Amino acid sequence: DTAVSQTPKYLVTQMGNDKSIKCEQNLGHDTMYWYKQDSKKFLKIMFSYNNKELIINETVPNRFSPKSPDKAHLNLHINSLELGDSAVYFCASSPGGRPPGGVGYNEQFFGPGTRLTVL
Amino acid sequence: GQNIDQPTEMTATEGAIVQINCTYQTSGFNGLFWYQQHAGEAPTFLSYNVLDGLEEKGRFSSFLSRSKGYSYLLLKELQMKDSASYLCAAGANNLFFGTGTRLTVIP
Repeated sequence: DTAVSQTPKYLVTQMGNDKSIKCEQNLGHDTMYWYKQDSKKFLKIMFSYNNKELIINETVPNRFSPKSPDKAHLNLHINSLELGDSAVYFCASSPGGRPPGGVGYNEQFFGPGTRLTVL
Repeated sequence: GQNIDQPTEMTATEGAIVQINCTYQTSGFNGLFWYQQHAGEAPTFLSYNVLDGLEEKGRFSSFLSRSKGYSYLLLKELQMKDSASYLCAAGANNLFFGTGTRLTVIP
C-alpha cells in the first residue's frame, strides 16, 4: 500500500560515476517532485513535473536529469557525481490543480528518501 | 525572492505547550503548510492554512496571518514522540521550505 516509493533507499558510489534513483506513486497524482535535503536538513526543491512535463527546474546543475515516462513515475539520473551531491533525495507527489470550489491546495506526499553518499 | 524563516532549535518539557513561529516571503502564495519530520524519515503533513486564523487539529494547531507573512504551529500536551523537526513551507504551485525547527521534548 505504499503511496510514494523510492529505490534504492541507500546509494553509495564513487565520485565521477553515473547513478539513477527511481520514484513511483500510486496515488493517481498529476504532479511529482524531487527535493534534496542536505546535511543541514534544508529541504530544497529541485524539479517539478506535471503530467510528465517539466514545470520547475530550480537552478540545478545539468548533471541532474529527471525523466518521467508516465505521470506515476519520476526518475532522477545524475551524471558525474560529485562529493557535494551527497544528501538525502526525496521524491514527492501532489494532486496538482485546484479542488472543486476550493482554494488551491497542494499537500505533498513524500517518499521515504534515498540517502546518497559520494566517496 | 523566497524566504522562509523559523528558529533552528527549541526545547520543551513533556506535557507543556510550545509555539514554533515561521515568517515567510514568497512570490506566490497558495497556502502555508507545516510538516513533521522525524530523524531519518520523510516529512509528513501536519496542517494547512490558506485563510487568516487558527486551524485546530487535536493537540496541534496552526495559525496564519497573511498580512504579516506569519504563521505558528502550536503543540499542546507535548509527548516525547513529538521530538522531531517541524518544517514550515509556503508558496504557490511550488513549495519553499524553511530549514526546520528541531524540537526536543525532555521529561
